[in-house]
Amino acid sequence: AQSVTQPDIHITVSEGASLELRCNYSYGATPYLFWYVQSPGQGLQLLLKYFSGDTLVQGIKGFEAEFKRSQSSFNLRKPSVHWSDAAEYFCAVGTPNTGNQFYFGTGTSLTVIP
Amino acid sequence: DTGVSQDPRHKITKRGQNVTFRCDPISEHNRLYWYRQTLGQGPEFLTYFQNEAQLEKSRLLSDRFSAERPKGSFSTLEIQRTEQGDSAMYLCASSPSSRIGNQPQHFGDGTRLSIL
Repeated sequence: AQSVTQPDIHITVSEGASLELRCNYSYGATPYLFWYVQSPGQGLQLLLKYFSGDTLVQGIKGFEAEFKRSQSSFNLRKPSVHWSDAAEYFCAVGTPNTGNQFYFGTGTSLTVIP
Repeated sequence: DTGVSQDPRHKITKRGQNVTFRCDPISEHNRLYWYRQTLGQGPEFLTYFQNEAQLEKSRLLSDRFSAERPKGSFSTLEIQRTEQGDSAMYLCASSPSSRIGNQPQHFGDGTRLSIL
């Protein structure tokens, strides 16, 4: 069965510092991979997606993510965090043989300190 | 570009009552999804429509839950005889169909259900 693991429940970084949020998935082939961000009381906003091709993908708000097949990972990065990046971040996996449902990780809560 | 719209944003009800939520997807999207999100968790898939056809249902969707999308546009999710465990955020998402499947899903702001 497919699964998504986000090992870090909560991360705190200083404004201007770099950020990396971890995501590991379990699936026998290459899945479709997504990162979403959720502000309190809001829905999820798509940051970026990976289907195939270049393993480094660029997203909105200065985020990027790298797909590493050997590590079954799709980590999210940002070189310089802004206070407005404080939110909950979710990694999601979709696979060709599971219809169209997404499997989400439990999320990583990001706090940004001045 | 009008996004996914959900109504109401909040619903407070007593245990045992029925509730209905509405979702209006992005107009050109023919796929519509319902998810449930509890505190501290990621969204969990409930069900999915392709146009008016309900094609998948999760085991999370008990007999008390029913979803419809009668004209392939908006959708409703009804919970009958609500229980405390139904308290959650109910999220709706939509996406275009694709031959390869799994296009990005665009989410609404959700309906937060609180059961007293």
